[in-house]
Amino acid sequence: GQQVMQIPQYQHVQEGEDFTTYCNSSTTLSNIQWYKQRPGGHPVFLIQLVKSGEVKKQKRLTFQFGEAKKNSSLHITATQTTDVGTYFCAGRGQGGKLIFGQGTELSVKP
Amino acid sequence: DAGVTQSPTHLIKTRGQQVTLRCSPKSGHDTVSWYQQALGQGPQFIFQYYEEEERQRGNFPDRFSGHQFPNYSSELNVNALLLGDSALYLCASSLRTGEAGNQPQHFGDGTRLSIL
Repeated sequence: GQQVMQIPQYQHVQEGEDFTTYCNSSTTLSNIQWYKQRPGGHPVFLIQLVKSGEVKKQKRLTFQFGEAKKNSSLHITATQTTDVGTYFCAGRGQGGKLIFGQGTELSVKP
Repeated sequence: DAGVTQSPTHLIKTRGQQVTLRCSPKSGHDTVSWYQQALGQGPQFIFQYYEEEERQRGNFPDRFSGHQFPNYSSELNVNALLLGDSALYLCASSLRTGEAGNQPQHFGDGTRLSIL
C-alpha cells in the first residue's frame, strides 16, 4: 500500500539554527498537508500544497511540494523555543485517504 | 465556536473487553474521521464517516467499527480489545466539499486508551 516516509525522526537544534524535515511518498500525491503536534497535544493543521513545485511561506516556515508530487519539505528559519513539537506530513493516498508520515520531533535548546 | 470534542479523555480496559469512544465535530463540519496514534508514531487512518455512512476505511480489522449520528457526532467501537490497541485515538472533523482528503483535518484532544 501507499507509504509516506519522513526523515529525520528526531532533530535537536540550538535556538536560532535552521531546521528541515523531508517527506517522501511511494506514489504520486494529489496534495500534501503539514501538521504540528505539541507534546501532549493534538495535530494542528499548518498548510496544504496542491500544485507541482508549489512553495508556500508562513513567516519563518517554508513549505515545498516536489515537481513529481512525491516529496515535500518543511524548512524553519532561525528556530525558536515555540517551534518545539512533532511535525507531520500527510499525503492524500488511494481513495482519498490521508496517510501520515511518522513525524519529525524537533527539540530546541535555548 | 466549539472545536472537536472527544470523550472520555482517558480509559483503562482489560484484554477482551469492548470500548466506545465519542466525538463531536467542530461546528459546521459534517465529516468525521478516526485515527489511531501509537506512541512515537503518526496518526493511522481507521475510517471516515459522512452522511451517517462509512465512506473510507484504513487497514484495521472488523473489530473496529463506528457510527455517525444525524447531528454529525460519531462513535468508535472496538471489540475484543488486544494489548496492541493501546494508543491515543484521535477524532478529526472536516467539511466535505470536493474530495474528503483535500480538506484540513481539525483534531480533538483524543482519548488515551490503555489495555491491561
